[in-house]
Amino acid sequence: DGGITQSPKYLFRKEGQNVTLSCEQNLNHDAMYWYRQDPGQGLRLIYYSQIVNDFQKGDIAEGYSVSREKKESFPLTVTSAQKNPTAFYLCASSDTGTGRGTGELFFGEGSRLTVL
Amino acid sequence: AQTVTQSQPEMSVQEAETVTLSCTYDTSENNYYLFWYKQPPSRQMILVIRQEAYKQQNATENRFSVNFQKAAKSFSLKISDSQLGDTAMYFCAFMKTYVGNTPLVFGKGTRLSVIA
Repeated sequence: DGGITQSPKYLFRKEGQNVTLSCEQNLNHDAMYWYRQDPGQGLRLIYYSQIVNDFQKGDIAEGYSVSREKKESFPLTVTSAQKNPTAFYLCASSDTGTGRGTGELFFGEGSRLTVL
Repeated sequence: AQTVTQSQPEMSVQEAETVTLSCTYDTSENNYYLFWYKQPPSRQMILVIRQEAYKQQNATENRFSVNFQKAAKSFSLKISDSQLGDTAMYFCAFMKTYVGNTPLVFGKGTRLSVIA
């Protein structure tokens, strides 16, 4: 089935460690996004990529890094510079680059990161 | 920058009754898209309904409908005949344009509980 796969679902990290969250899509979508969700804060944009080998910072990019080497993959690294990394992370994709599609975001099931 | 405001952090409704969730937004754009997303306890985000700003007719999807007031920058969601499965977080979202993959801006969400 087509969709977005995030892994792992749950991840524990010690302070000072980097961790990478995986996001893979087989929807052939051009754009991919990472959002962070905290209680009472809604979804906040971390990074997004409109095309392979290109990405832009979102509203809360500090302490995070991404890469887009393949259309299907958009991994997110949470670095030790991120002051408060414990959160729920959502990856999404959309197919709007050439004017087709509806603007709809398709989401993965999310990854819960806990810093111990 | 665009902002989306959901003024009701929590709401509850009796099963089979009707409930309306509020959303206002701020933008200087004339053409844009508005969305309501649902996040049930499973955390999987699902698109509920979508509205294009240039369309005057309010969007409807089965029991879900919107009241789009462009001049007032208001986009409320009405759920009719509420069901227990409607219990979820509901997020209102704004997108400036769908050419160029502009990321969605989300509100902080409204937690809806449907009571039997």
